Amino acid sequence: SQKIEQNSEALNIQEGKTATLTCNYTNYSPAYLQWYRQDPGRGPVFLLLIRENEKEKRKERLKVTFDTTLKQSLFHITASQPADSATYLCALSSGGYQKVTFGIGTKLQVIP
Amino acid sequence: DAGVIQSPRHEVTEMGQEVTLRCKPISGHDYLFWYRQTMMRGLELLIYFNNNVPIDDSGMPEDRFSAKMPNASFSTLKIQPSEPRDSAVYFCASSYPGGRETQYFGPGTRLLVL
Repeated sequence: SQKIEQNSEALNIQEGKTATLTCNYTNYSPAYLQWYRQDPGRGPVFLLLIRENEKEKRKERLKVTFDTTLKQSLFHITASQPADSATYLCALSSGGYQKVTFGIGTKLQVIP
Repeated sequence: DAGVIQSPRHEVTEMGQEVTLRCKPISGHDYLFWYRQTMMRGLELLIYFNNNVPIDDSGMPEDRFSAKMPNASFSTLKIQPSEPRDSAVYFCASSYPGGRETQYFGPGTRLLVL
């Protein structure tokens, strides 16, 4: 069955360092992959989308890579700040009318 | 724009009661999604609509759940009768024409069934 795996344990990182979050998937051929941020008590907020034919995408301090051979996406936050502390969700879809499936998320804590 | 609006924000009810959750999508968006989020299972898609028509309801747990979208600016998710295992946060999200991938989420309704 289709499966999306994100680090279930929280990731603690020192302010100023680069945070790297992982999203692995199995039994899936996604047309695109997305990363969302979720703060406690709020709905997820879209951050970045990367398509199957793209290797890397950047937005300000954020960078996403997508390796369809390894079936993995890496999400990087450079020069991390305490305000980056949140849960980050990856989401995949096969495109068309296929639904978007979310991973369970990784909680990031940036320590001042 | 005010974003996706959901009501109520919190709902506490007793087992067996009917629960109705409401959603107003962002104006101009033609896709509407209902999700349920729990610690154990994460964010699960229940149903989604395109132009008020249900496209995929395969995530609706059972017949106790129903969803409607009578017009482009309003949708409801109903649980009847409610059970304690329905306790979760329910999110509504919408997306714009041609941009189905990017979803804009509401603040959620936290439901507790006693």
